[in-house]
Amino acid sequence: DAGVTQSPTHLIKTRGQQVTLRCSPKSGHDTVSWYQQALGQGPQFIFQYYEEEERQRGNFPDRFSGHQFPNYSSELNVNALLLGDSALYLCASRGTNFYTFGSGTRLTVV
Amino acid sequence: GQNIDQPTEMTATEGAIVQINCTYQTSGFNGLFWYQQHAGEAPTFLSYNVLDGLEEKGRFSSFLSRSKGYSYLLLKELQMKDSASYLCAVSYPGGYNKLIFGAGTRLAVHP
Repeated sequence: DAGVTQSPTHLIKTRGQQVTLRCSPKSGHDTVSWYQQALGQGPQFIFQYYEEEERQRGNFPDRFSGHQFPNYSSELNVNALLLGDSALYLCASRGTNFYTFGSGTRLTVV
Repeated sequence: GQNIDQPTEMTATEGAIVQINCTYQTSGFNGLFWYQQHAGEAPTFLSYNVLDGLEEKGRFSSFLSRSKGYSYLLLKELQMKDSASYLCAVSYPGGYNKLIFGAGTRLAVHP
């Protein structure tokens, strides 16, 4: 049984560009959350999707947007990239009691 | 706010016991999680506490006091592979139980 899978694993983008990150939740999980983790910090909550709608959002600007598909997979889009967006982006899907995390996408903005 | 505080770094000796503390704001609390994260890897689930008391799982135990907004993770018989960051996370309601993390505690285990 595959866990949470994310793609790509690593990505380098230039300031001002746009990026799309992808996540497939663990089988049987229908809720997906996205987190941004800067080096040496804990994950920061970006937003959460359930039934193809954004249900909760953290303190992130509108440049960060997302989508959830009928098969529960999800995308995170970031527009007008800034150097400060460089981080590990984690996707987590929720089971009965706890979230399972993917290995993340390491985004570097240059 | 939902401030979650835990020590930044701790060191311990192989074979010893270490306790990592976590405090959080109690309003609207729904449950507390501990995750382990090795450098460059995904966080992995360790424990979940929703009621007061101690939950034991092998070498790892987690304690919760809801009234005090306090939890700790206890690691026994430390091994070198336990060197990692330990993340305290609190679940708050709002329909979908979003998880809010502390900054993490980096534990270094020495021989």
